[in-house]
Amino acid sequence: NAGVTQTPKFQVLKTGQSMTLQCAQDMNHEYMSWYRQDPGMGLRLIHYSVGAGITDQGEVPNGYNVSRSTTEDFPLRLLSAAPSQTSVYFCASRDRFDTEAFFGQGTRLTVV
Amino acid sequence: KQEVTQIPAALSVPEGENLVLNCSFTDSAIYNLQWFRQDPGKGLTSLLLIQSSQREQTSGRLNASLDKSSGRSTLYIAASQPGDSATYLCAVSSSGSARQLTFGSGTQLTVLP
Repeated sequence: NAGVTQTPKFQVLKTGQSMTLQCAQDMNHEYMSWYRQDPGMGLRLIHYSVGAGITDQGEVPNGYNVSRSTTEDFPLRLLSAAPSQTSVYFCASRDRFDTEAFFGQGTRLTVV
Repeated sequence: KQEVTQIPAALSVPEGENLVLNCSFTDSAIYNLQWFRQDPGKGLTSLLLIQSSQREQTSGRLNASLDKSSGRSTLYIAASQPGDSATYLCAVSSSGSARQLTFGSGTQLTVLP
């Protein structure tokens, strides 16, 4: 049982480049979300989804896009990378809003 | 807007001590509270989930309590070991945050041999 899988684990981008962070879960969970973790600021919600075809913005959505075409996958797209997007990104999934959340191992992104 | 606070930010104890980590939240209308462990450079590992109707949950040497009315939770670790050294995060799921998890900044625990 793989749980939540994120790829890549590490990435270096130049300012202005775009890329997609991948997240996949094999638990048939409806709820999926993306967080970024920065020193001293904890985890902040970027975007979330409560089912295929349904997405919404979190606390810090600017500069990011998401889509949810299948239950399993929830990719996060950086449209034009900026140094302020240097962070560790985590994907999480839950069956429902009141059940246990599971996290991926994270993607460490550096924008130069 | 839900806000979650964890105090202290860092804690260092000798091996064998019992310890308590604290978590407080501003909006008591929560669905549940979850404690996580994060090792350096790693993801978050779920430790305990407490539903809003529950008072406590136990797993091995860990015991988490919840007082929803006062907006507080504690994570009790018995007989601490060096392997318990990590950052501990609490998170709440609440209606005021669109049913999404709101995290505290964590407590970095070091257990000295």
